[in-house]
Amino acid sequence: AQSVTQLGSHVSVSEGALVLLRCNYSSSVPPYLFWYVQYPNQGLQLLLKYTSAATLVKGINGFEAEFKKSETSFHLTKPSAHMSDAAEYFCAVSVPSARQLTFGSGTQLTVLP
Amino acid sequence: EPEVTQTPSHQVTQMGQEVILRCVPISNHLYFYWYRQILGQKVEFLVSFYNNEISEKSEIFDDQFSVERPDGSNFTLKIRSTKLEDSAMYFCASRPTTGSQETQYFGPGTRLLVL
Repeated sequence: AQSVTQLGSHVSVSEGALVLLRCNYSSSVPPYLFWYVQYPNQGLQLLLKYTSAATLVKGINGFEAEFKKSETSFHLTKPSAHMSDAAEYFCAVSVPSARQLTFGSGTQLTVLP
Repeated sequence: EPEVTQTPSHQVTQMGQEVILRCVPISNHLYFYWYRQILGQKVEFLVSFYNNEISEKSEIFDDQFSVERPDGSNFTLKIRSTKLEDSAMYFCASRPTTGSQETQYFGPGTRLLVL
């Protein structure tokens, strides 16, 4: 079975500062990894995904994530936070044989002016 | 851009009543999913559906839940006798069978409140 751990249920950054949201996964087979964003009262929007191609993945809105197998991590970063980035971010994992997503607990990102 | 749609956006029901949540997946997708998110908790997988049958389900998906594809476009989740603990946001998702097969596209959700 797969699992995801997101360290930090709440992260606050100042506008313009680096955003770093942490995700560690567990999987017995090579995983697919995803970051989804959820704005208040909205659904889940795909930010980016890793599917065993390039380990550094670029997504929408200036976000990127790096797959590090040795650290079983898939941390999400953005060089400069914008007020509009305030949302909840979910890391998720799936595997080719069982494609349902297993989600982490989410990280609420607050951007301070 | 095609998107998954869900109706209703909000539903309030009395405990013990049946509810049907509706989803219209992206038109050329053949894999469908239901997830739920209890307030303040993580998103949890309920069930996946392919070729008119359930392909996988979680332990949450007990006998009170059922899914159906009644026609060529809709995908429904029925809860037969709702309980207070069924109050949650329910998300439908679909994914393609070609191209980005690993990517699930989510609808906006139905917020269910059981009183």
